Amino acid sequence: DADVTQTPRNRITKTGKRIMLECSQTKGHDRMYWYRQDPGLGLRLIYYSFDVKDINKGEISDGYSVSRQAQAKFSLSLESAIPNQTALYFCATSEPGTGVNEQFFGPGTRLTVL
Amino acid sequence: DQQVKQNSPSLSVQEGRISILNCDYTNSMFDYFLWYKKYPAEGPTFLISISSIKDKNEDGRFTVFLNKSAKHLSLHIVPSQPGDSAVYFCAAYTSFGNEKLTFGTGTRLTIIP
Repeated sequence: DADVTQTPRNRITKTGKRIMLECSQTKGHDRMYWYRQDPGLGLRLIYYSFDVKDINKGEISDGYSVSRQAQAKFSLSLESAIPNQTALYFCATSEPGTGVNEQFFGPGTRLTVL
Repeated sequence: DQQVKQNSPSLSVQEGRISILNCDYTNSMFDYFLWYKKYPAEGPTFLISISSIKDKNEDGRFTVFLNKSAKHLSLHIVPSQPGDSAVYFCAAYTSFGNEKLTFGTGTRLTIIP
């Protein structure tokens, strides 16, 4: 079984709809992250959480919110989706104090906003 | 401001030859650098890293070189194999901060059989 899972894998929605993307991990890591990937822009950090009570904005948090329901779960919400939020979204996890900050990524969610 | 740059969006290399992927950074506070590999429909996977106290790190066919004075790193793959065809991202972070990764824009490597 995959260590980091994301649901759904693909989603098509309309402008103005509320969307939630979910991430679960079995790695036991404290740190979780949400990124979006756009062509020519690489991966950009949306939000990150270092433990259940810790939520931090990344470089492109506007229009997004997150919830860390448990150590293993980190959800990303688009309150009112807009077309320029069409992108590939990745969740990642990491554990501090293990040397290199290697992050483990889920398989991604492809979101299309019409 | 793009702090980590990969100026080559794509690269094609013959199987068996050396692939060299380049990455430049502007933030002198970065002290760890990583390379990730991404296949279609999958998430990125960690490949190799280097800290700023080293100038070279090797793992099998993969070697990363760091030139701090030039703020430049490169990933060498030798010999290149068809399974190496993927998008490669370099990333960097500051270990004495919150360790957030800053990613480059990626280079699509195609190995020609």
